[in-house]
Amino acid sequence: AQSVTQLDSHVSVSEGTPVLLRCNYSSSYSPSLFWYVQHPNKGLQLLLKYTSAATLVKGINGFEAEFKKSETSFHLTKPSAHMSDAAEYFCVVSDRNFNKFYFGSGTKLNVKP
Amino acid sequence: GAVVSQHPSWVICKSGTSVKIECRSLDFQATTMFWYRQFPKQSLMLMATSNEGSKATYEQGVEKDKFLINHASLTLSTLTVTSAHPEDSSFYICSARDKREPYNEQFFGPGTRLTVL
Repeated sequence: AQSVTQLDSHVSVSEGTPVLLRCNYSSSYSPSLFWYVQHPNKGLQLLLKYTSAATLVKGINGFEAEFKKSETSFHLTKPSAHMSDAAEYFCVVSDRNFNKFYFGSGTKLNVKP
Repeated sequence: GAVVSQHPSWVICKSGTSVKIECRSLDFQATTMFWYRQFPKQSLMLMATSNEGSKATYEQGVEKDKFLINHASLTLSTLTVTSAHPEDSSFYICSARDKREPYNEQFFGPGTRLTVL
């Protein structure tokens, strides 16, 4: 079965400093992994996805994630946080046919001025 | 491209009434749509998967008679919460998958907040 674990429920950074949101996955086959962002009372927006191509994936708004099979990780990073990055972030793994998305518990990112 | 809309964005209803939520893919055709439920400060849980022209597949623990799903066209799926009760209050989010390749992405709607009094 597939699952993801987001290691931090809350992360707080200062504006202009790096962001690291951690995600570990479990999958019985080569996984497809996604990061989504959800702003308050809004739907989900895709930041980036990994589907067995390049292990370093670049997404929107300066975010990127690196797929590390040896560590079963897919951590999300951004070099410099912006106030508008404050939101909830979800790491997601899909089943083999992309019929089911398994969501992590979410990480709430707070950005301090 | 790849826009999914939901209507209404929020609804308040009395206990015992039924509420219908629409999910539309605006600029693509979706053979498969998904319905999720999100409780406050929690993650999304898949409720059911609907394929155009066939019955929905419900996840374990989801009452199919209470959450009626219809996927009558390639651009519209509806979720009806029948005889709603306060415990059904939640944020309901739909997603849709484009019928064209690649099939590896779900496009999410903005969600519908249901409050049952």
